[in-house]
Amino acid sequence: DADVTQTPRNRITKTGKRIMLECSQTKGHDRMYWYRQDPGLGLRLIYYSFDVKDINKGEISDGYSVSRQAQAKFSLSLESAIPNQTALYFCATSDTYGTGQGYTFGSGTRLTVV
Amino acid sequence: AQSVTQPDIHITVSEGASLELRCNYSYGATPYLFWYVQSPGQGLQLLLKYFSGDTLVQGIKGFEAEFKRSQSSFNLRKPSVHWSDAAEYFCAVGVRGAQKLVFGQGTRLTINP
Repeated sequence: DADVTQTPRNRITKTGKRIMLECSQTKGHDRMYWYRQDPGLGLRLIYYSFDVKDINKGEISDGYSVSRQAQAKFSLSLESAIPNQTALYFCATSDTYGTGQGYTFGSGTRLTVV
Repeated sequence: AQSVTQPDIHITVSEGASLELRCNYSYGATPYLFWYVQSPGQGLQLLLKYFSGDTLVQGIKGFEAEFKRSQSSFNLRKPSVHWSDAAEYFCAVGVRGAQKLVFGQGTRLTINP
């Protein structure tokens, strides 16, 4: 099994719908992150969490919300999806030492909003 | 704030040719530096990382990178590419005490047979 699992792998949804992307990890890491990837823009941070009670906005959090249900689970929600949220979404984890060890990534969720 | 620039959006090389992907960062202190690879339909996999010490670091799949403080660069190299190296490559920077990595825009590598 993968260390970081994202579900679903692919999703097509309609404008205005609420959608949740899920991430679970078996790494035992405290820190979890949600990024979106767009062509030519690289990865941009949406939200990150250092433990269950610690949630922080990233550079592009508008239109998104998150929930850290447990140390191993971190979900991303789009409350009312819009077409420019069409992107590839990645969940990542890191240990307590944070950036020094880099991240472990999930395989991504490709989201299309029509 | 730190930033990372990958000047080349897309590079095409022939199989067996050498490869160099460029990465420049902006930060005053010595950062932690990473290269990740994303194969089609896959997540990002760590190729190599630099924390301190020897400025030439070896990674997986035959890749290496050299940290040059004077040029604020961390370029990725491979002496002879294989068709399976076709992917997108991301450079990332982190600093001590920072909360997150910052990624470059990515370089897409195409391999000609």
